[in-house]
Amino acid sequence: GAVVSQHPSRVICKSGTSVKIECRSLDFQATTMFWYRQFPKQSLMLMATSNEGSKATYEQGVEKDKFLINHASLTLSTLTVTSAHPEDSSFYICSARQGSTEAFFGQGTRLTVV
Amino acid sequence: AQSVTQLDSQVPVFEEAPVELRCNYSSSVSVYLFWYVQYPNQGLQLLLKYLSGSTLVKGINGFEAEFNKSQTSFHLRKPSVHISDTAEYFCAVSVHSSASKIIFGSGTRLSIRP
Repeated sequence: GAVVSQHPSRVICKSGTSVKIECRSLDFQATTMFWYRQFPKQSLMLMATSNEGSKATYEQGVEKDKFLINHASLTLSTLTVTSAHPEDSSFYICSARQGSTEAFFGQGTRLTVV
Repeated sequence: AQSVTQLDSQVPVFEEAPVELRCNYSSSVSVYLFWYVQYPNQGLQLLLKYLSGSTLVKGINGFEAEFNKSQTSFHLRKPSVHISDTAEYFCAVSVHSSASKIIFGSGTRLSIRP
């Protein structure tokens, strides 16, 4: 299957700082990328959907100014958690899709805000 | 709108026993169906998918699933499980559109006992 690389896999940051997470599709062009958040022992919660060159579509309840998503090219999307706080600590997962069938997932990023 | 229900949050089975993980979906339009597996602290890996055609779909690691339109189900099965199958399994649905979200079920934790 196609490969999606997510970086970093783990990050610890201080409260009030910003953190950027990268998601790259390595061997295909992703028409759509998705960002999810996963709490312990729970399912994936969709945060936003982004298409290359256009603004991301955020799910209800997700703060656009706090979770900045940029989809600069067909192989790269970034999620920036701005002014992070301990409650933002979570597992963040990206996925990329070419066309309308399955999506491929990155390895996830464990964010810990201290 | 689409939704996915995974009826069992946890399924314990003995090694080499058969297993079935249940998934039901709701949608007013035709959908694609997926099963993903997640190992601890990792992203999701596609096990199998139903797009069209044969209702019995075979995937990786010896898993298979059957699409039943009348019962709106897509149950996952394996005739003989191994310790390495211990993981979280997610059923997911998407409509036939490149911009469509992939909606996940709540997940089923499969634990294999020796």
